[in-house]
Amino acid sequence: AQTVTQSQPEMSVQEAETVTLSCTYDTSESDYYLFWYKQPPSRQMILVIRQEAYKQQNATENRFSVNFQKAAKSFSLKISDSQLGDAAMYFCAYRDNDMRFGAGTRLTVKP
Amino acid sequence: NAGVTQTPKFRVLKTGQSMTLLCAQDMNHEYMYWYRQDPGMGLRLIHYSVGEGTTAKGEVPDGYNVSRLKKQNFLLGLESAAPSQTSVYFCASSYVRYEQYFGPGTRLTVT
Repeated sequence: AQTVTQSQPEMSVQEAETVTLSCTYDTSESDYYLFWYKQPPSRQMILVIRQEAYKQQNATENRFSVNFQKAAKSFSLKISDSQLGDAAMYFCAYRDNDMRFGAGTRLTVKP
Repeated sequence: NAGVTQTPKFRVLKTGQSMTLLCAQDMNHEYMYWYRQDPGMGLRLIHYSVGEGTTAKGEVPDGYNVSRLKKQNFLLGLESAAPSQTSVYFCASSYVRYEQYFGPGTRLTVT
């Protein structure tokens, strides 16, 4: 079964600085999708960014970008110019036929 | 569009009682899912459906049943609730294998 590992239970960043959240996954598939979701205190799961495994180019969405290393099975999320509203739990997720989530990283943003 | 909605938002059950959680989506998505979220464990898939009239087991299906009688609705049933089923339950839907859109969650406590 595919597994998703987020090795950082908690991370902290100063407002306006950059932070990188790590994620690794295990799979024997070649065709899959990877996602980062944000869960603020409201509990709502919000899609941050998506990466298709067949695309070599790293996905970007405004201040959010990923470093996708397919051979290393690594999918990190970089948040630039961190804002107070970025404080949340961040979940990495892997999908081929089903979806697997990592345990999450709690991000704190210090003013 | 309301997106994905869940009913109820909160519920307290006594051990042995039964209940049904309702999920509805208005995005015409084929795929629907039920997850549970427990502290430190991310989201775990309970059951999912790839179309009206179909259901399949996920990672943690024991103690739950589901039905997808209409494309827009996905029901999660607990026939005899146990304290181990205390959790936050999320419903999600997707267009085939793309990103999932989540409901706001249901907090269930079993005493």
